[in-house]
Amino acid sequence: DAGITQSPRHKVTETGTPVTLRCHQTENHRYMYWYRQDPGHGLRLIHYSYGVKDTDKGEVSDGYSVSRSKTEDFLLTLESATSSQTSVYFCAISAQGAREQYFGPGTRLTVT
Amino acid sequence: RKEVEQDPGPFNVPEGATVAFNCTYSNSASQSFFWYRQDCRKEPKLLMSVYSSGNEDGRFTAQLNRASQYISLLIRDSKLSDSATYLCVVGLNTGGFKTIFGAGTRLFVKA
Repeated sequence: DAGITQSPRHKVTETGTPVTLRCHQTENHRYMYWYRQDPGHGLRLIHYSYGVKDTDKGEVSDGYSVSRSKTEDFLLTLESATSSQTSVYFCAISAQGAREQYFGPGTRLTVT
Repeated sequence: RKEVEQDPGPFNVPEGATVAFNCTYSNSASQSFFWYRQDCRKEPKLLMSVYSSGNEDGRFTAQLNRASQYISLLIRDSKLSDSATYLCVVGLNTGGFKTIFGAGTRLFVKA
C-alpha cells in the first residue's frame, strides 16, 4: 500500500470554527489531491497540488484553502466550517497528473 | 449530463456469476481511464488501468471504446470478496489536470 496518512481520522467541530486536515505521504509523489465524498455525489475534487507551493482549484473549492510547503505534506483548511462541509475527506497522490491515484484512509468530519 | 456516468445499480449476483459494469464519459479529450473499487467506509483503491487494447488481470477484464466513449469492466466467477462499489474514473489534461470519478455501482455477491 502507498504510504499515505491522514490526520485526524475523525473530527467533530462547531460551525464557524477553523479546521485543518493533514495529508502526509512517504512516496515522494509530485501530485497531491483533496477530495470530498458525499452520498449521491461521489468523489469531488476540492484542490490539488502539482508541486511545492503549486496548487490549483478543483470543482468544489469554495470555503477551502490548501497549502503545500513540503513535498510530503498537503494541508486542507476550512477557514470557517459550515454544516455543508460535513463529509468524508480523502487525500490522494499520484506520480503524474491525471494518472493512477492512491488514496489515504480518509477523515470523517462532522460540523455541528 | 454528468461527465462520467455509470450504471446506478446495485447489482445483486450469486457467487460464480459474471457481472459487467458499464461507464460512459462525455469529454472526447479524455486521456486516461481507470477502475477503482471502494469497500464500505474505506478509501478507493485502484483496481486496474484501462488501455485501448483492453486488458485483463485474472478474473477482471477492462475494455475501452474511444469512438463510443465507453468503458467496461467484466468480473468473471464472482467471489463474496468482490462485494464493493466500483468506480469508473477518467483523467484529462485541459490546461490543468482533471480526474473525474463516476458515482459508482454497488455490487453485492451472495452465497
